[in-house]
Amino acid sequence: AQSVAQPEDQVNVAEGNPLTVKCTYSVSGNPYLFWYVQYPNRGLQFLLKYITGDNLVKGSYGFEAEFNKSQTSFHLKKPSALVSDSALYFCAVRGKLIFGQGTELSVKP
Amino acid sequence: GAVVSQHPSWVICKSGTSVKIECRSLDFQATTMFWYRQFPKQSLMLMATSNEGSKATYEQGVEKDKFLINHASLTLSTLTVTSAHPEDSSFYICSARELAGDERETQYFGPGTRLLVL
Repeated sequence: AQSVAQPEDQVNVAEGNPLTVKCTYSVSGNPYLFWYVQYPNRGLQFLLKYITGDNLVKGSYGFEAEFNKSQTSFHLKKPSALVSDSALYFCAVRGKLIFGQGTELSVKP
Repeated sequence: GAVVSQHPSWVICKSGTSVKIECRSLDFQATTMFWYRQFPKQSLMLMATSNEGSKATYEQGVEKDKFLINHASLTLSTLTVTSAHPEDSSFYICSARELAGDERETQYFGPGTRLLVL
């Protein structure tokens, strides 16, 4: 069975500091992995995806994610956090998306 | 590109009435659309997958007679909550995928519809 885990319910970061939102996965076959962001009372916005190729994937709004096959992880990163990055972040796997439980990111000025 | 709209964004209804939610792909053809339900501070729960011109596939535990899904065209899917009850109050989100049967393709999400049943 496919699954995705986001081990942190909440991540707190100071503005300007690097941020990491963690995701680990368990799939059979090729791991097609996605990151989405959700602002309050909104749908999800696509950030980036990993299908094949380079392990470092660059996405929208300065976010990137690193695919690590040996650790079965796909952590979302940004070098310098903005207050406007505060939102709910979801990692998901494959086409019929299986979502992690979400991580609430809070960036303080 | 890849914009998905939902209408209405908010709906309040009386218990026992039916509510229809529309999901449209505005700038691409969506052979597959998905309907999700989200409770506060929780992840998205997939309710059903609909393919244009065929019956929807419902996830385990989702009542297909209660949540009627129609995907009549390549740009429109509707979810009708029949005989709504307060426990149906939730945030409903649709998504659309451009290529049928290709798991690699990205799903694009609508802004969601908040349903409150009194």
